Amino acid sequence: AQSVTQLDSQVPVFEEAPVELRCNYSSSVSVYLFWYVQYPNQGLQLLLKYLSGSTLVKGINGFEAEFNKSQTSFHLRKPSVHISDTAEYFCAVSEKEYGNKLVFGAGTILRVKS
Amino acid sequence: AAGVIQSPRHLIKEKRETATLKCYPIPRHDTVYWYQQGPGQDPQFLISFYEKMQSDKGSIPDRFSAQQFSDYHSELNMSSLELGDSALYFCASSPGTGVPHSPLHFGNGTRLTVT
Repeated sequence: AQSVTQLDSQVPVFEEAPVELRCNYSSSVSVYLFWYVQYPNQGLQLLLKYLSGSTLVKGINGFEAEFNKSQTSFHLRKPSVHISDTAEYFCAVSEKEYGNKLVFGAGTILRVKS
Repeated sequence: AAGVIQSPRHLIKEKRETATLKCYPIPRHDTVYWYQQGPGQDPQFLISFYEKMQSDKGSIPDRFSAQQFSDYHSELNMSSLELGDSALYFCASSPGTGVPHSPLHFGNGTRLTVT
């Protein structure tokens, strides 16, 4: 069975600073990786996904993530954050090819300070 | 663009009562998923449906049941509610066929509080 570990429960960062949210996964088969963002009292919104191909994936709102198979990681990065990026970010993994159940990490709360 | 609609947004029930949560997927999405997110927890997969048939099952208690109807909307029925059932329940939909790993589109959730 697959699992996802998000190493940081909270990440405080100043506005316009770069940020990296870490995600490691474990699985015995090929996986598909996702990052979702959850704003307060809202549903989960897809930021980006890795299915195959280039290991550097670009998503919405200036975020990007890099798939590293040897390190089983899928860290999320943004070169310059805004106050509006304050939210909880979930890394997720799926083992099935077609839209199917996701296993989520515990989430990382990104707090952007002015 | 139309999104996944969940109702009600908030629900307060007492222990041992029943609750029904509804989910209306994005038009032309034939696959629905239910997730439970406890306070400060990550979303946990409960159950999914494709073309009105159960397609996968996760950590859904026996007290819960769900179904998908002919118009593809889904209902999660919860009986003998317990305090631990208090959580945010998300529904997600996707076009389950012919689209390589289409992402899940989540609704805003139903917040269930059991007192």
